[in-house]
Amino acid sequence: AQKITQTQPGMFVQEKEAVTLDCTYDTSDPSYGLFWYKQPSSGEMIFLIYQGSYDQQNATEGRYSLNFQKARKSANLVISASQLGDSAMYFCAMRGREYSSASKIIFGSGTRLSIRP
Amino acid sequence: NAGVTQTPKFQVLKTGQSMTLQCAQDMNHEYMSWYRQDPGMGLRLIHYSVGAGITDQGEVPNGYNVSRSTTEDFPLRLLSAAPSQTSVYFCASRLRIPGQGLDQPQHFGDGTRLSIL
Repeated sequence: AQKITQTQPGMFVQEKEAVTLDCTYDTSDPSYGLFWYKQPSSGEMIFLIYQGSYDQQNATEGRYSLNFQKARKSANLVISASQLGDSAMYFCAMRGREYSSASKIIFGSGTRLSIRP
Repeated sequence: NAGVTQTPKFQVLKTGQSMTLQCAQDMNHEYMSWYRQDPGMGLRLIHYSVGAGITDQGEVPNGYNVSRSTTEDFPLRLLSAAPSQTSVYFCASRLRIPGQGLDQPQHFGDGTRLSIL
């Protein structure tokens, strides 16, 4: 069975500092994908970054990077130079093996990030 | 390009009533999913589909039915509404590209806010 765990319910960070949001996962699938989404107070879900289990390099998208440690089953999101607009809920998600009925995406419970000016 | 469209945006039901939440996407995505998000929590997978005619249960399927007669539509039916089903419901879709299936993020609708009295 797949499981995603986010252990930080909430975080406060000073503007312009870097922040790491933790995510650990558990799966028996040999190949899988990991996603991070942002949900601002307006409620929409915004895709941030993706990491495939066989990707050799850690994924990066602008100020977002994913610190992927396969052996430890962790996929932490790093936001560099945080901005006030980064205040939101952040969700880690995992997809199992592709091309099967098990190819579903499940989400962690989220981390509420608040950026202080 | 409308993306993922959910209707209605808001709904109030009485306990025991039934209703259908509509979800349509115009991106020719094979994968579609329904999630519920309770206050302060992450998204929990209700049902998902990997293509027309194929559906499967997620983490919290009880009390909900789905069908997928076309690629575009994936309605969610509440059989007999209960106060515990008060939540925000998100529909999502994802593209399947043979041979590149691991890196496609989900596109989300704006959500349906459902209250059961």
